[in-house]
Amino acid sequence: IQMTQSPSSLSASVGDRVTITCRASQSVSPYLNWYQQEPGKAPKLLIYAASTLQSGVPSRFSGSGSGTEFTLTISSLQPEDFATYYCQQTYSTPPWTFGQGTKVEIK
Amino acid sequence: QVQLQESGPGLVKPSQTLSLTCTVSGGSITSGTYYWSWIRQPAGKGLEWIGRIYDSGSTNYNPSLRSRVTISVDTSKNQFSLKLSSVTAADTAVYYCARDDGYISGVGNWFDPWGQGTLVTVSS
Repeated sequence: IQMTQSPSSLSASVGDRVTITCRASQSVSPYLNWYQQEPGKAPKLLIYAASTLQSGVPSRFSGSGSGTEFTLTISSLQPEDFATYYCQQTYSTPPWTFGQGTKVEIK
Repeated sequence: QVQLQESGPGLVKPSQTLSLTCTVSGGSITSGTYYWSWIRQPAGKGLEWIGRIYDSGSTNYNPSLRSRVTISVDTSKNQFSLKLSSVTAADTAVYYCARDDGYISGVGNWFDPWGQGTLVTVSS
């Protein structure tokens, strides 16, 4: 299953609302996860099952979507949110696949 | 809480075998509800799932690497390992191990937590 994220990168300011889209080549509902990766660090789970916030993740992060289209929204961008975000599908059987990533940069 | 730590050589010669170990601490690898996965990331690129193992030794591999990959588990040491044979420069990457969680949830699975990653460079 191919995963495509858009945009590949974006520039935003602190306080902005940011939305990242992930599209799957077939329905993967609800088996869609989101990760945040800061430079030089391992990815960190943000959201699983499309919309469930992982424990400890700030509530400004939210996920939605179904079928083949999903979104990650950051309601008010904070300085620590500048990172690369990846979606991942875990539908049915392996191989699990990731999107190519969306880099969120400071405007 | 559970922590994972990768270890192994940082430099491997072309055509040789890459070998890495992931040590799990703060919890048992034989909990029965998790798989344990390897993922890699070439510099400046995205994430690629390599494969996973259950504590029984059952494995699944990415078809793109299946002919060269072996993942094994040593429950006595609370470790699982990756071997990738016949490496080339294209296998240069940061390699991560991660706990493959969520199977009892009924809503899929996800990777959490991850090890810090280890850079493996393939070069003569």
